[in-house]
Amino acid sequence: GEDVEQSLFLSVREGDSSVINCTYTDSSSTYLYWYKQEPGAGLQLLTYIFSNMDMKQDQRLTVLLNKKDKHLSLRIADTQTGDSAIYFCAETNREYGNKLVFGAGTILRVKS
Amino acid sequence: NAGVTQTPKFQVLKTGQSMTLQCAQDMNHNSMYWYRQDPGMGLRLIYYSASEGTTDKGEVPNGYNVSRLNKREFSLRLESAAPSQTSVYFCASIRVGLDYNEQFFGPGTRLTVL
Repeated sequence: GEDVEQSLFLSVREGDSSVINCTYTDSSSTYLYWYKQEPGAGLQLLTYIFSNMDMKQDQRLTVLLNKKDKHLSLRIADTQTGDSAIYFCAETNREYGNKLVFGAGTILRVKS
Repeated sequence: NAGVTQTPKFQVLKTGQSMTLQCAQDMNHNSMYWYRQDPGMGLRLIYYSASEGTTDKGEVPNGYNVSRLNKREFSLRLESAAPSQTSVYFCASIRVGLDYNEQFFGPGTRLTVL
């Protein structure tokens, strides 16, 4: 079956790095995603990684993929208070018209 | 482009009342989705519509109905609301790309059933 798991909460100090971890089960997922949800808003795509890649860097964001262990991580360098949000890991499930299967979300709290 | 819009933003219902949540997208996407978000449970798919004129059940369809009125609009109806349906509801549409797909979400409807 499909299951995406994340730790529920992470607290860091402003300027530190944040690492949010995720495990998934569907090894056939072609793409894996990170979405960000700010308070009172819907989810927005933050970044994604193709399953043939090990790493993807996009400015302050680094995505690492360990396909063997089905482990995905999102590293945010120089974390800012504006990064406080809920971060969702997601994989594609082709059963429901390419819908995304989301983890429960990790609440990132950045202390100034 | 407004993207994905939802109305209303907030709603309080009494048990047994009915209501319809409205959703529209102006990005010409074929597929649209309704999710509910509950604390610690991520997003769960209620119904989806792969294209205009088709609708299918997701993971948690009981107690809901949907209508894909046209390519732009996809509504979610609660016929007889129950407290277990207290949740935040998100509508989404999907851009199917040559490489990755991207889902676009509306701002959500926060529903409380008393």
